[in-house]
Amino acid sequence: TQLLEQSPQFLSIQEGENLTVYCNSSSVFSSLQWYRQEPGEGPVLLVTVVTGGEVKKLKRLTFQFGDARKDSSLHITAAQPGDTGLYLCADGSSNTGKLIFGQGTTLQVKP
Amino acid sequence: DTEVTQTPKHLVMGMTNKKSLKCEQHMGHRAMYWYKQKAKKPPELMFVYSYEKLSINESVPSRFSPECPNSSLLNLHLHALQPEDSALYLCASSQDRWGLYEQYFGPGTRLTVT
Repeated sequence: TQLLEQSPQFLSIQEGENLTVYCNSSSVFSSLQWYRQEPGEGPVLLVTVVTGGEVKKLKRLTFQFGDARKDSSLHITAAQPGDTGLYLCADGSSNTGKLIFGQGTTLQVKP
Repeated sequence: DTEVTQTPKHLVMGMTNKKSLKCEQHMGHRAMYWYKQKAKKPPELMFVYSYEKLSINESVPSRFSPECPNSSLLNLHLHALQPEDSALYLCASSQDRWGLYEQYFGPGTRLTVT
């Protein structure tokens, strides 16, 4: 059974700081997805990465996919209070259609 | 448009009540999902519908009964729930059920069982 480990689990920083969240898999990712979930809302898809070594940018967010497709990172530059939320990485199983989620990183950005 | 809608937003029900959660998408997606989520935890898959047929049931208790009336609608019927069933219930959809397709989530229904 595939396991996704996210680190850190909790992060509390000041506005303007940079941060990195990591997602590591016990097996090769099929299709890695990053979501952000604000309190009381559903997860919102941020990005999907499928190719080893891929780097994608979404404004102040940079997503990297490891060459071996077993790890990924999310880097946020100059964090803002609006970045507060639960960040989830997930892998889509090509066989079952299930999403395997990491346990999530709760980010709090203080003004 | 990548919108999945869910109603109601909040629901409080007693352990003897019967209620239903509703989910709708108009993206032409052929796979729809129900998830249960506890605070600060990842969503847990409950059911998957593919082409309006139930394809995955993650050993969910029978007090939860899913229904897919058509390709755009998904219901979750609730009966005789327990307080531990209180959670955020999320609906999602994807183009097809295979894992390479991205899932789009609704805002959820916050359920409280008293």
